[in-house]
Amino acid sequence: EVQLVESGGGLVKPGESLRLSCAASAFNFSSYSMNWVRQAPGKGLEWVSSISSSIRDYVFYADSVKGRFTISRDNAKSSLYLQMNSLSAEDTAVYYCARVPYASNGYPPFYFDYWGQGILVTVSS
Amino acid sequence: EVVMTQSPATLSVSPGERATLSCRASQSVIRNLAWYQQNPGQAPRLLFYDTSSRATGVPARFSGSGSGTEFTLTISNLQSEDFAVYYCQQYNNWPLTFGGGTKVEIK
Repeated sequence: EVQLVESGGGLVKPGESLRLSCAASAFNFSSYSMNWVRQAPGKGLEWVSSISSSIRDYVFYADSVKGRFTISRDNAKSSLYLQMNSLSAEDTAVYYCARVPYASNGYPPFYFDYWGQGILVTVSS
Repeated sequence: EVVMTQSPATLSVSPGERATLSCRASQSVIRNLAWYQQNPGQAPRLLFYDTSSRATGVPARFSGSGSGTEFTLTISNLQSEDFAVYYCQQYNNWPLTFGGGTKVEIK
């Protein structure tokens, strides 16, 4: 069974940094594009960032995080990461790791077929 | 950015009845639209992709339709487990965008 398990969340002060991790299992991690989606308390879903599978080389970011967040992956460890710098209260949210379907050409349709359980990031002084 | 607008924000329906949820895109997304269901405290669950393709395990009482800018999620014969929040998401353009959600509550 596909599993995505986030870790690394917690309480940080404005301006500080945090690194989220997502451990993937039960699928060929390197073959899938991966993503981060967040949800502020009581609010809707917001896409944050996407990274290509190993056969391509692209990343995308939402404007709200561009220049502050960096997505990366370690295929040998089947892990996805999100380095978050210069955090502000507006970044407070549950962060979900999410997979998109496999695409042999490395350009999948970017809907999310599997999600992690989410990890809470709180930015407050 | 493609803005996704869902209506209504809240839908009150009795068990056994039908719920019709709307999702409108600010520009055509062709049929590159997904629907998700989210229960309190849980991660979203994929219901439909490509507008009307049912994800694994989704009951047949759920159906998706539409194209271009207008999309509909219909839930027939509502069951207790269907009372949740539903989101649409377009993946035709970057950035990926979600609608604000429709909460289906028990009437």
